[in-house]
Amino acid sequence: DTEVTQTPKHLVMGMTNKKSLKCEQHMGHRAMYWYKQKAKKPPELMFVYSYEKLSINESVPSRFSPECPNSSLLNLHLHALQPEDSALYLCASSQGSGEGQETQYFGPGTRLLVL
Amino acid sequence: AQKVTQAQTEISVVEKEDVTLDCVYETRDTTYYLFWYKQPPSGELVFLIRRNSFDEQNEISGRYSWNFQKSTSSFNFTITASQVVDSAVYFCALSEAKGANSKLTFGKGITLSVRP
Repeated sequence: DTEVTQTPKHLVMGMTNKKSLKCEQHMGHRAMYWYKQKAKKPPELMFVYSYEKLSINESVPSRFSPECPNSSLLNLHLHALQPEDSALYLCASSQGSGEGQETQYFGPGTRLLVL
Repeated sequence: AQKVTQAQTEISVVEKEDVTLDCVYETRDTTYYLFWYKQPPSGELVFLIRRNSFDEQNEISGRYSWNFQKSTSSFNFTITASQVVDSAVYFCALSEAKGANSKLTFGKGITLSVRP
């Protein structure tokens, strides 16, 4: 069963708000990813966690703060976002350490609108 | 540096037509992996296929088929007898297998519209 779930599906927030996106997988995968996707563009990698440790941060602004409480859960904490941060945020997971041969399985995404 | 080019941006076909989505890649590595994902309007990226650089066999899965040619650095995707449900954005992606933390490089995507 290749399922990654994300909540909420939609989120509207003001620039002073603090919110969190949640991602969960029960496939026993040990690598989890956050991507940002703007309209009509491909996904852009933000963070990678491998065995619950942050292994890649693609120079993402500090207003985005990832957290991996355990191997099944991945959070993205949002604070003081800008309107240009409005996008589809996708979570993915893969089997092991995040190596290139691993297939990434994606969740349905959270559509974020920052006002 | 690796690169994926999907030169077609939008394709529109009538149901039951065959359609081929092109993907050309660049990499300096001899070991790499190619992927196709489908993204319907709902937003989720759906994994379709993974192919490693040592396996040039073409693959068929129902109405879907893939043609991998290392000589032309291409990994094209054909949908036979297209259906309205095939309407989506299709991404080709490349990953180099250099240890941990390898990244997926996506092409820009091809928007396929299948009209009834």
